Amino acid sequence: DIQMTQSPASLSASLGETVTIECRASEDIYNGLAWYQQKPGKSPQLLIYNANSLHTGVPSRFSGSGSGTQYSLKINSLQSEDVASYFCQQYYNYPLTFGSGTKLEIK
Amino acid sequence: EVQLVESGGGLVQPGRSMKLSCAASGFTFNNYDMAWVCQAPKKGLEWVATISYDGSSTYYRDSVKGRFTISRDNAKSTLYLQMDSLRSEDTATYYCARHSANSHWYFDFWGPGTMVTVSS
Repeated sequence: DIQMTQSPASLSASLGETVTIECRASEDIYNGLAWYQQKPGKSPQLLIYNANSLHTGVPSRFSGSGSGTQYSLKINSLQSEDVASYFCQQYYNYPLTFGSGTKLEIK
Repeated sequence: EVQLVESGGGLVQPGRSMKLSCAASGFTFNNYDMAWVCQAPKKGLEWVATISYDGSSTYYRDSVKGRFTISRDNAKSTLYLQMDSLRSEDTATYYCARHSANSHWYFDFWGPGTMVTVSS
């Protein structure tokens, strides 16, 4: 199974700041990576797929990058509505696996 | 508007069975692979099972193989998860999720989830 190691586990930042969340795969996943946002009490929502493609309707302050085993999600100009947990997921191979999540809070 | 609505969750005793349903609307259901993903309380996400658009292929995580069965009724636009021999560690919110249309196995839409509690 492909293990996804996500960091940091939690993050506190000020409004307007830029934050970055990292995900490392235990083997090359050839850009088969998605990022999801889960707000408290809600179901996850797709942000990014294919490592760097923005899902329809997602604000352009979200961006994804990376290749091989190392990937990252960047949020520019942090807004209050970005308070959520963020998860990465590899879909290069079964079983599909997720990172453990990053909880983002506003300072 | 795409809608996925799960039902069938609740409290069940260990060793018993439960069947979840997911009613889909707003898209052509039989064009999409579908999946169940679970999330234990205050924990992360775990993929459970996937079924191909026509039901001909299914995939499971190891911990549910032989106990859970994913199925679909395309005429009713409904996805199912039959859960047998339930264990306390199966306690979680179960989400119905749609795989992308391009045969990549990420999830482009999720239902609100249904809670399953396995306890005596």
